Amino acid sequence: EVQLVESGGGLVQPGRSLKLSCVASGFTFSNYGMNWIRQAPGKGLEWVAYISSGSSYIYYAETVKGRFTISRDNAKNTLYLQMTSLRSEDTALYYCARRNNYYVMDAWGQGASVTVSS
Amino acid sequence: ETVLTQSPTTTAASPGEKVTITCRASSSVSYMHWYQQKSGASPKLWIYDTSKLASGVPNRFSGSGSGTSYSLIISSIESEDAATYYCQQKSSDPPWTFGGGTKLELK
Repeated sequence: EVQLVESGGGLVQPGRSLKLSCVASGFTFSNYGMNWIRQAPGKGLEWVAYISSGSSYIYYAETVKGRFTISRDNAKNTLYLQMTSLRSEDTALYYCARRNNYYVMDAWGQGASVTVSS
Repeated sequence: ETVLTQSPTTTAASPGEKVTITCRASSSVSYMHWYQQKSGASPKLWIYDTSKLASGVPNRFSGSGSGTSYSLIISSIESEDAATYYCQQKSSDPPWTFGGGTKLELK
């Protein structure tokens, strides 16, 4: 069974940093590109970042470029999102999601909640 | 960047009714994907490549469209279909944007 389990969320003050993790199981993690997608309270889905299977290709949404860093450790089956200079508008549930060969996100984690507030 | 606009934003239907959700793209796209998200749960892949049902999706669901207009259709809605549905364009290039979502309620 494909599983993605996020962790590392929490309450953080504006301007501070936080690092999310997503542990994958049930599939060959190193074969898939991975995404972070977020959902602000009561709002829709917003793509945040993508990393290819071998980390050769990395892309960010304009709203987080320069502040967030996506990375992965294929030996540990783990995806990361390092978030710095956090703002109140970064408050959201952060999902990791697997991308398959159809360029579709076919597996999602349960989400990690990030609240940016003083 | 291609902007995806879904309509309606919210809709309600009675069991057995047919429901159509539309996603319009600001420029032509090759295919559209759809996700279902129930309240308090993670999104699930529902339809991919415009018309292919994801594993486990009931065949009362279908997808169609081309160019700038795509639809998710439920032929005969059931209570378990109450959810928010999001479209997303198929693309090899970022950003991978989503539509704003359509909330489907049962009467």
